[in-house]
Amino acid sequence: GQQLNQSPQSMFIQEGEDVSMNCTSSSIFNTWLWYKQDPGEGPVLLIALYKAGELTSNGRLTAQFGITRKDSFLNISASIPSDVGIYFCAGHSPGTASKLTFGTGTRLQVTL
Amino acid sequence: GAVVSQHPSWVICKSGTSVKIECRSLDFQATTMFWYRQFPKQSLMLMATSNEGSKATYEQGVEKDKFLINHASLTLSTLTVTSAHPEDSSFYICSAVHPYSNQPQHFGDGTRLSIL
Repeated sequence: GQQLNQSPQSMFIQEGEDVSMNCTSSSIFNTWLWYKQDPGEGPVLLIALYKAGELTSNGRLTAQFGITRKDSFLNISASIPSDVGIYFCAGHSPGTASKLTFGTGTRLQVTL
Repeated sequence: GAVVSQHPSWVICKSGTSVKIECRSLDFQATTMFWYRQFPKQSLMLMATSNEGSKATYEQGVEKDKFLINHASLTLSTLTVTSAHPEDSSFYICSAVHPYSNQPQHFGDGTRLSIL
């Protein structure tokens, strides 16, 4: 099946720093989504991208849908302790209806 | 709006027993729900698509006789892990498709299943 590779796998940063993570695929996707998951909970949608080249912001978060439709990145500016968690990209590939494929995840730790 | 509730949130049971997990859409009707499994420090892996009024569609490698899915109403899908064994211990998450939401899927808070 399709796989979405995320990098980095984990990050340790200081409060106030900016963070960047990305997601790549071997095939094209119609939709790119970024989720955050806290321990013991379901994922929560952060940003949704629907068009190649689209750049969308949600507060301190910015994400872009790659022009090739095979990648996306998520930036977090001025990180705070509550940004700690696991970030997953996900996407819809053509012909898969509403099924989502999830990325491998990026674990973020923020130190004071 | 668009709340999805899972029950129970945590269950421990003996090897060989069957366990039922419920997924409810509380304030909307969902013809399609999804079941995922997540092992520690891993991603969410889709197990099956649950369709109201019809048979579930299972992903490759998922045993349909072991993971029974029933979507008998527009607000409830159930996943039954039959004859559970320790290797079935995992975090099970459901999601539901809201017909008028701009979010593709709305996720429940998951069920932690531990088989002793």
